[in-house]
Amino acid sequence: TQLLEQSPQFLSIQEGENLTVYCNSSSVFSSLQWYRQEPGEGPVLLVTVVTGGEVKKLKRLTFQFGDARKDSSLHITAAQPGDTGLYLCAGGPYFGNEKLTFGTGTRLTIIP
Amino acid sequence: GAVVSQHPSWVICKSGTSVKIECRSLDFQATTMFWYRQFPKQSLMLMATSNEGSKATYEQGVEKDKFLINHASLTLSTLTVTSAHPEDSSFYICSALLRGGADEQYFGPGTRLTVT
Repeated sequence: TQLLEQSPQFLSIQEGENLTVYCNSSSVFSSLQWYRQEPGEGPVLLVTVVTGGEVKKLKRLTFQFGDARKDSSLHITAAQPGDTGLYLCAGGPYFGNEKLTFGTGTRLTIIP
Repeated sequence: GAVVSQHPSWVICKSGTSVKIECRSLDFQATTMFWYRQFPKQSLMLMATSNEGSKATYEQGVEKDKFLINHASLTLSTLTVTSAHPEDSSFYICSALLRGGADEQYFGPGTRLTVT
């Protein structure tokens, strides 16, 4: 069974600070997606990374896919209250079906 | 692009009744859709994979006779919770698979089901 562990599980920081969320597994994935979910809503896709070592930037968010395609990180610079939410990483399978393996989630709270 | 809708957004029903939830891909065709269940403060739990024109594939522990899935067209999948009980109360979310260089799942806004 493929597992994706996210750390930290909870994070509460002041507005303007930087933070990094990690997504780790012992399994190799064909791609890695990051989602943000707000209470009572569905997850919103932020980015997809597909190449080992790939780095993608989305404004103040930087996503990296590990060289071995087993892990990923999300770095947020100068966090803002609008960044508050549940962040989920999800790994795409290499073979077979299209099911995603979801991470355990990181609940981020940015304090104004 | 890649918008997925769900209807209803919330529903309250009495124990023993059935409830149907619709999931639509609005601007793309999806041969594959997924149904998830999410408990408070937890990650998503995959219930089943819905394939257009064929039977759904259920995850281990999910009762296929209780959670009926129909994927009748390339833009619509439905989940029917039959003979609902209070323990079925949950947040149900669907996603539609957009195929490309990297297949991506786009999620609906979710349906809050409360069984009284």
